[in-house]
Amino acid sequence: EVQLLESGGGLIQPGGSLRLSCAASGFTFSSYSMAWVRQAPGKGLEWVSSISKNGDTIHYADSVKGRFTISRDNSKNTLSLQMNSLRAEDTAVYYCAECQSACLWGRFDYWGQGTLVTVSS
Amino acid sequence: IQLTQSPSSLSASVGDRVTITCRASQDISSYLAWYQQKPGKAPKLLIYAAFTLQSGVPSRFSGSGSGTDFTLTISSLQPEDLATYYCQQVNSYPLTFGGGTKVEIK
Repeated sequence: EVQLLESGGGLIQPGGSLRLSCAASGFTFSSYSMAWVRQAPGKGLEWVSSISKNGDTIHYADSVKGRFTISRDNSKNTLSLQMNSLRAEDTAVYYCAECQSACLWGRFDYWGQGTLVTVSS
Repeated sequence: IQLTQSPSSLSASVGDRVTITCRASQDISSYLAWYQQKPGKAPKLLIYAAFTLQSGVPSRFSGSGSGTDFTLTISSLQPEDLATYYCQQVNSYPLTFGGGTKVEIK
């Protein structure tokens, strides 16, 4: 059974940093591209970032480019999102998702349960 | 690429046929997926490549369209279909989602 378990969310002050993790199990992690998607309270879904299966191709939404860094450790089946210079508008539930061999032209097959990030003073 | 979903919400009775549309601001071929999100839950993939039903998804869900105009149809609405539905384009970066359609049961 595919499982994606996010962690690392919490309350953080504006300008602060936070690192999210997503522990994957039930599939061959190194064979799949992965992504982060967020959802602000009461709002729709927003794609944040994607990373290829070996980590050599990465894309970011303009809203997070230069502040967020996606990475993966295939030896530990873990996806990460380092978030710096956080702003109030980054407040959201952050989901990790598996998107087949490539997120582009692919599909987001499985999603984690999400972790809430609240940016507030 | 912007995706415009309509309607933003709808209310229908059990057994009704429900249609949700998604219009892309430019040609995305068939690179469109549909997701269902129930209250307090993560999104779930329903349809990909515009019309391919994800394994395990009930056959009352179907997708159609290509280019810029797409449709998600629920042939016979069930109580468990109470949810918000999102379309997503995976044709080019940045990947984008539609604004969502909230489906309520009368």
